[in-house]
Amino acid sequence: DIQMTQSPSSLSASVGDRVTITCRASQSISTYLNWYQQKPGKAPKFLIYAASSLQSGVPSRFSGSGSGTDFTLTISSLQPEDFATYYCQQSYSTYTFGQGTKLEIK
Amino acid sequence: EVQLLESGGGLVQPGGSLRLSCAASGFTFSSYAMSWVRQAPGKGLEWVSSISGSDGSTYYADSVKGRFTISRDNSKNTLYLQMNSLRAEDTAVYYCAKDLRINGDFNGMDVWGQGTTVTVSS
Repeated sequence: DIQMTQSPSSLSASVGDRVTITCRASQSISTYLNWYQQKPGKAPKFLIYAASSLQSGVPSRFSGSGSGTDFTLTISSLQPEDFATYYCQQSYSTYTFGQGTKLEIK
Repeated sequence: EVQLLESGGGLVQPGGSLRLSCAASGFTFSSYAMSWVRQAPGKGLEWVSSISGSDGSTYYADSVKGRFTISRDNSKNTLYLQMNSLRAEDTAVYYCAKDLRINGDFNGMDVWGQGTTVTVSS
């Protein structure tokens, strides 16, 4: 099974900051990597697919990159509504989620 | 509008069974793979099971294999998850989700339901 490891597990940042979250796969997954945002008590929201493709309706301040085993999600200028938990997910072999990164207000 | 609405959650004793349903609307249900994802209280997301839209192939996480069965009724636009031999560790919010691409499997989950809560406890 493919394991996904995110870092950091939690992160404090301020509005306007540039933030990067990292996701590492236990084996190469090409670009079969997706990102989700989840707010407390809500269902996850689909942000990015195929490592770098922005889902329709997602603000352009979100971007993804990477291939193989190492991937990043970047938020270029944090907005108040971006404080949430973020999950990566591999879709190379069924699905596996990372453990999540909680983004909190500093 | 594309919508998914789960139902069937509740309180069940260890060893018991429960069937979850997910009613879909606003898209051609039969053409899309569908999945169940769960989230235990205070924990992260865990993929549970998926079913192909094209040929009905099914896939399961090791943690539920042999106990859970995913199925779909394309005539009713409904996805199901039959859960047997339930354990305390199956306690979670269960979400159904739609695959991103038509006639494809494992492309990401672009639409999610609101979730239904399953509690396994005596």
